[in-house]
Amino acid sequence: QITLKESGPTLVKPTQTLTLTCTFSGFSFSTIGEGVAWIRQPPGKALEWLAHMFWNDDKRYSPSLKSRLAITKDTSRNQVVLTMTNMNPVDTATYFCARIRDSYAYGSYWGQGILVAVSS
Amino acid sequence: DIQMTQSPSTLSASVGDRLTITCRASQSINNWLAWFQQKPGKAPKLLIYKASTLESGVPSRFSGSASGTEFTLTISSLQPDDFATYYCQQYSTIGTFGQGTKLEIK
Repeated sequence: QITLKESGPTLVKPTQTLTLTCTFSGFSFSTIGEGVAWIRQPPGKALEWLAHMFWNDDKRYSPSLKSRLAITKDTSRNQVVLTMTNMNPVDTATYFCARIRDSYAYGSYWGQGILVAVSS
Repeated sequence: DIQMTQSPSTLSASVGDRLTITCRASQSINNWLAWFQQKPGKAPKLLIYKASTLESGVPSRFSGSASGTEFTLTISSLQPDDFATYYCQQYSTIGTFGQGTKLEIK
């Protein structure tokens, strides 16, 4: 059974750095083709792809957010970490992680999401 | 960046109706397109990938098709559980989603 779960702060202040962790089970970065993506959704708005990485450390970032994002993995812990610097109130959103596979960046399994508010 | 233009933004329909949602890519994406269903407060659910391949477990009343850079999601006979918001997503490059189509009960 494949599961993913996001964790991290639910409130950050403007200019702070957000660090989110996706902990997953049922697959492993030790397996060729596996990957994890981060997607966000502001309240009442559309989904936005942020970043993804595959088992072989292939990483891709949204061009509009590339300078603020970093994605890393811990294979032994089955975790992927996303950091986003210089948080702004417009970054208030539900952040999802999702499993992707075989170089195809669409999410076949998703976490429940974590709502992060940016406010002073 | 590849832009995805989805229409309509809202759709009112009744149980049993047949409907289509359209997504247009700003450039060729070689059918690297997925469709998702999202209900309030929930994560998106994958329905279709590679433009027309039905994800395992998804009812056969859902189907997808492609013609160049235009993609359609069709629901052949709406069921009560289908009222939700639908998104397309291209994955030819870093993912891009459409703006969503909210399907409401008429």
